[in-house]
Amino acid sequence: KAGVTQTPRYLIKTRGQQVTLSCSPISGHRSVSWYQQTPGQGLQFLFEYFSETQRNKGNFPGRFSGRQFSNSRSEMNVSTLELGDSALYLCASTMTTGAGDTQYFGPGTRLTVL
Amino acid sequence: GQNIDQPTEMTATEGAIVQINCTYQTSGFNGLFWYQQHAGEAPTFLSYNVLDGLEEKGRFSSFLSRSKGYSYLLLKELQMKDSASYLCAVRDNYGQNFVFGPGTRLSVLP
Repeated sequence: KAGVTQTPRYLIKTRGQQVTLSCSPISGHRSVSWYQQTPGQGLQFLFEYFSETQRNKGNFPGRFSGRQFSNSRSEMNVSTLELGDSALYLCASTMTTGAGDTQYFGPGTRLTVL
Repeated sequence: GQNIDQPTEMTATEGAIVQINCTYQTSGFNGLFWYQQHAGEAPTFLSYNVLDGLEEKGRFSSFLSRSKGYSYLLLKELQMKDSASYLCAVRDNYGQNFVFGPGTRLSVLP
């Protein structure tokens, strides 16, 4: 079974631009979560989508948005990029079993804002 | 509020045992997770605790005390490849967000 895939793996943008990141979850997983990881703040939750609906949202400004498609693929968009948006953006798909929820992370997209 | 604390760094010797502690205060609780993250890579799932007690998985064990808001990850027979960051995370609000701790960077020395 293929793992979580994210594209692109690396991205360089300039301030003020916008960016769209893509995530394909493990086949059969309907929940996709997005995280931002920086050396100073660690892993911070952005939002979670389940069956095309945003189920949860973290404490990020409205410049960060996302969506999920009927095939469970998800996209994250950041508008009006700021230098502080430089980070590793991780996507995770969640499997629910009798043992609870387990998240499987993709390799991440490293975004650099110049 | 939500808060998860872990030691920032730990060092241990190859072959030894190390315990990484995690304390948490979250709104609701629906499970505690440990992840391993090697530098430059994504986190990988290690263990899950939802009831009090010890869960053992080979060289790794994880303990939970819900009344104390406390967990630890125990790594036995340390190997050089265990050098990584270890992240503690809690599923809060009765099955909603995952809240991650800052991570503990473990260095295993020969």
